Amino acid sequence: GQQVMQIPQYQHVQEGEDFTTYCNSSTTLSNIQWYKQRPGGHPVFLIQLVKSGEVKKQKRLTFQFGEAKKNSSLHITATQTTDVGTYFCAGYNNAGNMLTFGGGTRLMVKP
Amino acid sequence: EPEVTQTPSHQVTQMGQEVILRCVPISNHLYFYWYRQILGQKVEFLVSFYNNEISEKSEIFDDQFSVERPDGSNFTLKIRSTKLEDSAMYFCASRPSGLFNQPQHFGDGTRLSIL
Repeated sequence: GQQVMQIPQYQHVQEGEDFTTYCNSSTTLSNIQWYKQRPGGHPVFLIQLVKSGEVKKQKRLTFQFGEAKKNSSLHITATQTTDVGTYFCAGYNNAGNMLTFGGGTRLMVKP
Repeated sequence: EPEVTQTPSHQVTQMGQEVILRCVPISNHLYFYWYRQILGQKVEFLVSFYNNEISEKSEIFDDQFSVERPDGSNFTLKIRSTKLEDSAMYFCASRPSGLFNQPQHFGDGTRLSIL
């Protein structure tokens, strides 16, 4: 079945440093979604990418979808303590009825 | 903004007992999902539901699990005979009809503790 992997599993950064998480799928994805889960919270949708090579920005967050549509990345510039949480990528199967999450990258920011 | 609501927020049950987790999806949404997240681990897909039937289920969703939409608003997950390893956070999610590249909206979850 479809597998989605993320690295790193954990990342400690000093406030103001940049952060990147990488996502790889075992199969080509029709689209990829990113979610953020705060400690003790539920996943919250951030963004979706659909086109090969697509790049989208949300303030300090930059999302990229690979040319082959099998990998993606999320980059945060100048992290803040409010960025703390676990970032998950997720991809749908071809039928669009099952969303497979990556293992997540837990970001910790030291003030 | 409309939300997915889940009850109870925490359920403690003896091993072997049946448990029903309840969800009220966003009212105009047509696709419903259950996910499980063991503490500190990833979000795992259990089942998707559309048009009053299961459209996909994972290997985790065995005969001990069932889902139901008993009326026009509730969406329930039943675990028939709970095991210790069923202890986890269970999230319900929903999305509107149409293309599946729409975001899923998650509830706050039910923490299930099996003793």
